[in-house]
Amino acid sequence: QVQLQQSGPGLVKPSQTLSLTCVISGDSVSSTSAAWNWIRQSPSGGLEWLGRTYYRTKWNSDYAVSVRSRITIDPDTSKNQVSLQLKSVTPEDTAVYFCAKGDYYFPFWGQGSPVTVSS
Amino acid sequence: SYALTQPPSVSVSPGQTASITCSGDNLGNRYTYWYQQKTGQSPILVIYEDTKRPSGIPERFSGSISGNTATLTISGTQAMDEADYYCQSYDSTSVFGTGTKVTVL
Repeated sequence: QVQLQQSGPGLVKPSQTLSLTCVISGDSVSSTSAAWNWIRQSPSGGLEWLGRTYYRTKWNSDYAVSVRSRITIDPDTSKNQVSLQLKSVTPEDTAVYFCAKGDYYFPFWGQGSPVTVSS
Repeated sequence: SYALTQPPSVSVSPGQTASITCSGDNLGNRYTYWYQQKTGQSPILVIYEDTKRPSGIPERFSGSISGNTATLTISGTQAMDEADYYCQSYDSTSVFGTGTKVTVL
């Protein structure tokens, strides 16, 4: 059974970089049949897919248009984890951030990481 | 940008049937997925590929598609089914619906 354990700071200052980590157990970040996603949920409740990374014959990443200029999702094969970096954050980036496994849908989710952007 | 529309809320009496719709352009040509989310918890997949139920999900949860509207049906609704429900589809990127709060009165 796949388990995803998230970690990272819960408070980030405006204009700084939000960084979160998702440690994977029960699967490999390098699996050629999996994709590793970041999804966030705003305080109003809406879910927004942010992006994903996955390995086939090489590493690939896809990002949502809304954050494409600010986001990086990277695998770390030595630690079997995936990271999220979101640059130049504003209060509108305040949300609960989830990592999730899945190509087209998400059967496995991390526990969620609440992040507040505030000075 | 692509959008999936759900009713904000649905109320149902215990033992009755709750139906939640999800509408979007060309949804009939894509798969729809459904998630249940209880307060303070991560979403749980309850239906995938329009009609399939993951292992461990009760049989009272079912999905259907007609034209560009997908429907999640909860038959014999129980108090434990009170939650927010989100549809999701995929077409180069993933998009979630606006969410529906199901209240069991």
